[in-house]
Amino acid sequence: DVKVTQSSRYLVKRTGEKVFLECVQDMDHENMFWYRQDPGLGLRLIYFSYDVKMKEKGDIPEGYSVSREKKERFSLILESASTNQTSMYLCASNSVLEAFFGQGTRLTVV
Amino acid sequence: AQRVTQPEKLLSVFKGAPVELKCNYSYSGSPELFWYVQYSRQRLQLLLRHISRESIKGFTADLNKGETSFHLKKPFAQEEDSAMYYCALSVGGTSYGKLTFGQGTILTVHP
Repeated sequence: DVKVTQSSRYLVKRTGEKVFLECVQDMDHENMFWYRQDPGLGLRLIYFSYDVKMKEKGDIPEGYSVSREKKERFSLILESASTNQTSMYLCASNSVLEAFFGQGTRLTVV
Repeated sequence: AQRVTQPEKLLSVFKGAPVELKCNYSYSGSPELFWYVQYSRQRLQLLLRHISRESIKGFTADLNKGETSFHLKKPFAQEEDSAMYYCALSVGGTSYGKLTFGQGTILTVHP
């Protein structure tokens, strides 16, 4: 069974903290993505990666960075968390014609 | 840049009634269109894609390039269809796999 696993289901962090969201996939996919999901806005792409050590900005990269040191792992980093980054974060990887999503990490920044 | 619009945030129907979730897109080329669904407490998953021309769980969607639409339809809604539905677009090429999503429609099917 295809699996994309995000390390945390819920996180609460303080303003200014550096936050790491981890994602692992077991399907040997080359492409991995980070989205944030907000009511009324749908899913918006933050960053994506087509290969190890390769990254490209999505539509809303400001305040975020990513790391992909191994093919199966894609990390999202909030350099200095702010309250407007409170959201649901979804990781995905894709095969030809289908994206597979993690269960999501609900991040609250206080 | 491409864009996907789902005009209805909320849609309520009764069990057995027909349902149509609207999706319009803007893109000058030939996109690939998808519907993704998220049931309560489950992860987002693919429902169907236009190139497969398939029916999944009784749902169908036809790509209308003239109207730039990809509406999702089901003739007889069931309570288990209640979920969040997202229309999504992929432009392919070097951006293959990168999806642009609509705002989502919450479908509620009442008994």
